[in-house]
Amino acid sequence: GAVVSQHPSRVICKSGTSVKIECRSLDFQATTMFWYRQFPKQSLMLMATSNEGSKATYEQGVEKDKFLINHASLTLSTLTVTSAHPEDSSFYICSARDRGLEAFFGQGTRLTVV
Amino acid sequence: GEDVEQSLFLSVREGDSSVINCTYTDSSSTYLYWYKQEPGAGLQLLTYIFSNMDMKQDQRLTVLLNKKDKHLSLRIADTQTGDSAIYFCAENPRDSSYKLIFGSGTRLLVRP
Repeated sequence: GAVVSQHPSRVICKSGTSVKIECRSLDFQATTMFWYRQFPKQSLMLMATSNEGSKATYEQGVEKDKFLINHASLTLSTLTVTSAHPEDSSFYICSARDRGLEAFFGQGTRLTVV
Repeated sequence: GEDVEQSLFLSVREGDSSVINCTYTDSSSTYLYWYKQEPGAGLQLLTYIFSNMDMKQDQRLTVLLNKKDKHLSLRIADTQTGDSAIYFCAENPRDSSYKLIFGSGTRLLVRP
């Protein structure tokens, strides 16, 4: 299947700083990318949907000014966690979808804010 | 509404069959998916089924769909220790811009 690469896989940052997570589709063009957040032993919660060249659509309760999403090309979306706090520590997963039925997932990024 | 439910935990002996169940509420969903997540990793698509089907088989995996009861199951035949993981079912509501709604996940433990 297609490959989605997410980087970094792990990041530790200080409280108050910003962290950028990249999601790349390596061998297909992703018209739509999704960002999920997963707390320990819980399900994936959709944060936002981004379409190339347009603004992301955020799910209810997700602060768009805190979680900045940029989908500047058909192969790259970025999630920036701004002014991170310990409660933002989580596992963030992106997925990318072409025009087919399948969404391909990245490996996830473990964010720890200290 | 959109809500997908699964039992949290299943333990089976190696070689036995595993059945993981899922219920969903959005009858407009056109596709239903099963994903596998190993510790610290992303999600791997195992299989999916179109809503007008009632069964799909793919090697050791069998998916059954009861659309009337909004019930989906995943059967893993001859379960192996490498099958130990968390399994998520997900639905794709028709008017949702292809977003997936995930269940809570079922942790499968395969005992030697």
